[in-house]
Amino acid sequence: DAGVIQSPRHEVTEMGQEVTLRCKPISGHNSLFWYRQTMMRGLELLIYFNNNVPIDDSGMPEDRFSAKMPNASFSTLKIQPSEPRDSAVYFCASRAGTYYTGELFFGEGSRLTVL
Amino acid sequence: QKEVEQDPGPLSVPEGAIVSLNCTYSNSAFQYFMWYRQYSRKGPELLMYTYSSGNKEDGRFTAQVDKSSKYISLFIRDSQPSDSATYLCATPRNSGNTPLVFGKGTRLSVIA
Repeated sequence: DAGVIQSPRHEVTEMGQEVTLRCKPISGHNSLFWYRQTMMRGLELLIYFNNNVPIDDSGMPEDRFSAKMPNASFSTLKIQPSEPRDSAVYFCASRAGTYYTGELFFGEGSRLTVL
Repeated sequence: QKEVEQDPGPLSVPEGAIVSLNCTYSNSAFQYFMWYRQYSRKGPELLMYTYSSGNKEDGRFTAQVDKSSKYISLFIRDSQPSDSATYLCATPRNSGNTPLVFGKGTRLSVIA
């Protein structure tokens, strides 16, 4: 398997622009997680899905952030409008099954810079 | 208090040294602990996990949990330059279908 695939790997945009990050989880995995990583705050959970249904979005910082999972093989994280403080590495991770002992498999991340 | 606290370092050691990486956690109900390793510009990967108290060994790596003090540790023996990475401790927020809560990570450099 190719693992979790994220795109784009790098994105540089200007403040106010819309940003869409994409994720393809490992085939057969039931749970999908979006995390954001910064030096100051570390790895923070934004939202997670179980069987394509959003379970907890309390980590989404503001209404400017939204996430969807229209099917088991695709998810998006959208920021509209983007701000410089959104600059971070955004990771998507998937897990087989829905129990907490399952291993999280991370993508290589999308590095976002908002100027 | 954050759920999981970890000293971000950086930590620099000579090759062959014994490395100790540590985390504290706040919720005494936590029972399952993981260590993830993250190489530069890569996503984290699971290194080890341990359940409840005690030690778990895997090659040069030992994970230790002290529930009485809510302290978790990762020891690396005979450290190698290839061990240079950021190490993140993690624990599930609760039981069932739950995400992982991560420490900030400790950046380790092993100098040849």
